[in-house]
Amino acid sequence: KAGVTQTPRYLIKTRGQQVTLSCSPISGHRSVSWYQQTPGQGLQFLFEYFSETQRNKGNFPGRFSGRQFSNSRSEMNVSTLELGDSALYLCASSLEFPNQPQHFGDGTRLSIL
Amino acid sequence: GQQVMQIPQYQHVQEGEDFTTYCNSSTTLSNIQWYKQRPGGHPVFLIQLVKSGEVKKQKRLTFQFGEAKKNSSLHITATQTTDVGTYFCAGYTGANSKLTFGKGITLSVRP
Repeated sequence: KAGVTQTPRYLIKTRGQQVTLSCSPISGHRSVSWYQQTPGQGLQFLFEYFSETQRNKGNFPGRFSGRQFSNSRSEMNVSTLELGDSALYLCASSLEFPNQPQHFGDGTRLSIL
Repeated sequence: GQQVMQIPQYQHVQEGEDFTTYCNSSTTLSNIQWYKQRPGGHPVFLIQLVKSGEVKKQKRLTFQFGEAKKNSSLHITATQTTDVGTYFCAGYTGANSKLTFGKGITLSVRP
């Protein structure tokens, strides 16, 4: 079974631009969560989608948004990029039942110049 | 809001020594999960604990959930260089709640 696939793996942007990251979950997984990972801050929860609906949201500004499609694939978008948005963005999928283990992708490394 | 704490953030051990790390939550958890992230890799699920006082073992790793379901521990017996990485605990407070991660502890092992 293929794992969680995230594209692109690396991205370089400049301040003020916007970016869209993509995540394809494990086949059969309908829940997709996004996390931001930075040194010293660990994994910070961005949002979770289930059946195309946002089920949970973390404490990030409105510049961070996401969506999920009917095939469970998900995208997250960050607008008006800031230097502090440089991070590893991880997507994780899980089965539809509550409180399931997360299966992570390799992440997208976003660098803001 | 809910906080999951792991202190310290770094620990160095000599190969063959035992290692124990703790995870504490500000609120009662419905379950707790542990993940391991190797350098340059992504977090990989290790185990989930659900019941109060539950103990689970995976080879040299022993995981325990506290009686009050607000803390957990990970013990590694006779560490090896393959144990190097960052260990995260993460907990849910209820059905359909978000998973909150601790900041992790990065373990280095001197051969």
